[in-house]
Amino acid sequence: TAGITQAPTSQILAAGRSMTLRCTQDMRHNAMYWYRQDLGLGLRLIHYSNTAGTTGKGEVPDGYSVSRANTDDFPLTLASAVPSQTSVYFCASSDTAERGDNGELFFGEGSRLTVL
Amino acid sequence: GQNIDQPTEMTATEGAIVQINCTYQTSGFNGLFWYQQHAGEAPTFLSYNVLDGLEEKGRFSSFLSRSKGYSYLLLKELQMKDSASYLCAPMDSNYQLIWGAGTKLIIKP
Repeated sequence: TAGITQAPTSQILAAGRSMTLRCTQDMRHNAMYWYRQDLGLGLRLIHYSNTAGTTGKGEVPDGYSVSRANTDDFPLTLASAVPSQTSVYFCASSDTAERGDNGELFFGEGSRLTVL
Repeated sequence: GQNIDQPTEMTATEGAIVQINCTYQTSGFNGLFWYQQHAGEAPTFLSYNVLDGLEEKGRFSSFLSRSKGYSYLLLKELQMKDSASYLCAPMDSNYQLIWGAGTKLIIKP
C-alpha cells in the first residue's frame, strides 16, 4: 500500500527560483495538509484542504501556494524561494474529523528543501 | 493563545518505564493525539484520547485530563528502538492539530 507519497525527497534550490513539492495519496482521504518542521519547533501548518476544490491558510502561509484539483493530489508551490524556507516539509492526509473520524493524520516521508 | 508544553528531552534506561507529560491550552478541544517520530522520518500515530482516563495499547498508554489540560504518554519495558521524539498534539475547535515541539527520548542500555 503506497499511502501518501511525496517528491522530491530532497532538493537544493537557489534563492529566487520556484519549486513545487508534490504530494499524492491513494487512501481517498478528504483532507490534506502541508506542514513544515524546523529544529526546536513543532510542526507548523502551511496550508490545508478539507476537500477537493477547497483550500485554506494555516499558521505560516506566506510565500507558499497550494491547489486541490482532485482528491489525490495536493502540490505545494514556492513561487520565489528564500533561505528562511529551508526546512523539512511534510504532506499529510486524514479522513475529515467532522465526519466522526478521529482525524488521525497519515504523513508522507517528507521533503528536505535547502534554499541557498 | 494556543500553547503546548512538553519537556525538550528525557533519558531512560532500557527495560524501565518513562512518563512524558504534556500540558496544553487550545481554543476548544476535540481530542489529543500522541505521535512518535524517529530521526529523519515522518511522525507515526501512537494514540488518541478524547475522554478523560487511560487508554492502554500494548507497552504504550496515554492519559487525558481535560479539566487540567494535561496528558501523558507512558512507555513500559523500554526498548532501544523507542529512542525517538514524542509529539503531543491536541485538536482544537476547528479540528486542526496544534503541535508541541516534541520530547526527545534517549534510551540507554
